[in-house]
Parts: sequence; C-alpha cells; structure tokens
Amino acid sequence: DVKVTQSSRYLVKRTGEKVFLECVQDMDHENMFWYRQDPGLGLRLIYFSYDVKMKEKGDIPEGYSVSREKKERFSLILESASTNQTSMYLCATGDSPTDTQYFGPGTRLTVL
Amino acid sequence: SQKIEQNSEALNIQEGKTATLTCNYTNYSPAYLQWYRQDPGRGPVFLLLIRENEKEKRKERLKVTFDTTLKQSLFHITASQPADSATYLCASGRGGATNKLIFGTGTLLAVQP
Repeated sequence: DVKVTQSSRYLVKRTGEKVFLECVQDMDHENMFWYRQDPGLGLRLIYFSYDVKMKEKGDIPEGYSVSREKKERFSLILESASTNQTSMYLCATGDSPTDTQYFGPGTRLTVL
Repeated sequence: SQKIEQNSEALNIQEGKTATLTCNYTNYSPAYLQWYRQDPGRGPVFLLLIRENEKEKRKERLKVTFDTTLKQSLFHITASQPADSATYLCASGRGGATNKLIFGTGTLLAVQP
C-alpha cells in the first residue's frame, strides 16, 4: 500500500510566523502535490513537483513556496503565515500513467 | 476553462437503496475520470478510474459510467450502508503532458439506517 505521511495532523501558528509542512511518501512516485481544501471551494492545487528539485506553480501559489530535495519528501513553506491561510492542507503523490493520486491524512492549520 | 461539476447538495438515501452521484465536465474531453471518497478530517482515497473508451466499470458494490456525449460520469453505490456515508469527489486529468488532476467540490452522501 502507498503510504503518504504528513508531519502534523493539527498545527496552530501566529500571524507572521514561518511554517513548514512536510510530506513523506514511500512508493517511489515521481509526482507530489500540495493542496489546500476549504469548505465550498474543494481541493485547490498550490504547487506540485514532478522530480527532485523541480517544482511547478498550481492554481494558488501566492504566499507559499515548496522544496523537494529528495524524491520521497516534499515540503510546503508558508513564508509569513496569515489568517487567510487557515485551512486543511493535503499532500498527495501521483502514480503515472493514470495520474491516480494518493493522499496523506492532512494537516489542519490554524493561523491566529 | 476546464471544469468539473458535482452536485453540491447533500444526497440523503435509505440504507439498502442505490446511491447515484453525478459528475459533469465542461470545456474539454478528459481521457479518464476518477472517483475518490473522503471522510471528515481525512485525505481523499482513490476508488475507481474509468477511461473514455469504457462505458462502465465495476468494483464490488460500486459502478461508474462514462458518457462522452453527455459529458458526464455517474457513480453508483448499490445496497448502500451507513458506512458509505462520506463525501465523494470526481476528478479528471487536465490533459497534455501534465500529471495534474482537476477535482470537483464533491457530493456529501448520507445513508440513513
């Protein structure tokens, strides 16, 4: 079974803090994704990576950056957290060629 | 722009009945559609994939159809159980060389005992 883990299930941070969300997968998938999910808005793609050190902006990259130094690890960074970044953050890996995605359990981030 | 639409209203059905969820796509022709299940506070879990050249796909009590004329996929759960209560997401590839998916906002299914 594909296993995707995220560093925290719940996180509370203050406005202006730098926040790191980590995602680790054990299935050797090339593609990894970061989404945020908000009620009524569904899953919105923030960034994705198709190889080590490679990244591509998704639909809502503003206020975020990512890092992929190793194939199994994909980090999402909030440079200066703001209250409108309070959300559920989901990491996923993608399996070619069907593009089926496998999700982690999610991190519920609250920015105060 | 490419879009996936699902009925945002919750679907309430009685245990034992067949649940049918709808997914419509606009402005493109996906090579496949995927269905995921999401429980509250959890990440989505992949259920089924159907390709454009397949009319129907089954897995246990689940059935998915793909109608390229109507630009629609239907997701059926037969003999539904309260444990099937969850949000179901439809997704498709964005096309081209990208590996990204477009997700619908999901439909909440509530199966009453």
